Amino acid sequence: DAKTTQPNSMESNEEEPVHLPCNHSTISGTDYIHWYRQLPSQGPEYVIHGLTSNVNNRMASLAIAEDRKSSTLILHRATLRDAAVYYCILSPRDNYGQNFVFGPGTRLSVLP
Amino acid sequence: DSGVTQTPKHLITATGQRVTLRCSPRSGDLSVYWYQQSLDQGLQFLIQYYNGEERAKGNILERFSAQQFPDLHSELNLSSLELGDSALYFCASSVGAGGHKTQYFGPGTRLLVL
Repeated sequence: DAKTTQPNSMESNEEEPVHLPCNHSTISGTDYIHWYRQLPSQGPEYVIHGLTSNVNNRMASLAIAEDRKSSTLILHRATLRDAAVYYCILSPRDNYGQNFVFGPGTRLSVLP
Repeated sequence: DSGVTQTPKHLITATGQRVTLRCSPRSGDLSVYWYQQSLDQGLQFLIQYYNGEERAKGNILERFSAQQFPDLHSELNLSSLELGDSALYFCASSVGAGGHKTQYFGPGTRLLVL
């Protein structure tokens, strides 16, 4: 069972920031928070991941709540190419015998 | 381009048949994962290999099997195929086996069972 909860869908206007929320109230201390996205007819693509601190990379930023029970993926300026399904996944550092559990994710639509 | 390659891209076969899907991981990656994505089930983890050894098993049917070879490429064998096996099959790879390791996904093999 997925350990995260995400909205089914969100909409954004092109060139505006997008904040994609994820709730993970049962997160444990060793769980990493991963974000992947999947464009139509493609394999999932890594976006960003973190443990406790906020993270930035060239694609996005990850803001993690102080209690770690929620996180937000931030796309600073949405483009049409960002339209995809975004998955928030928890995975413990020592995941021997376990693996990524993909929920339904959030389908992001970007309007021109 | 993730660096993970999968062949073939498309496969059409009949019920009862057997097929083999192939995956080449990114250079240097020791872990290979297989996932199935169907319309009604979403993305489901099937199996993981690490440096030739089976590491984790998910919702993989007994009719399905996999292996990882010494050169680290992996094959997923699907036998006695049923209509419900029609799906996208993705392979992913990572450097290690831990949960903090990023998985890089291939483009997938689309299987259609008629």
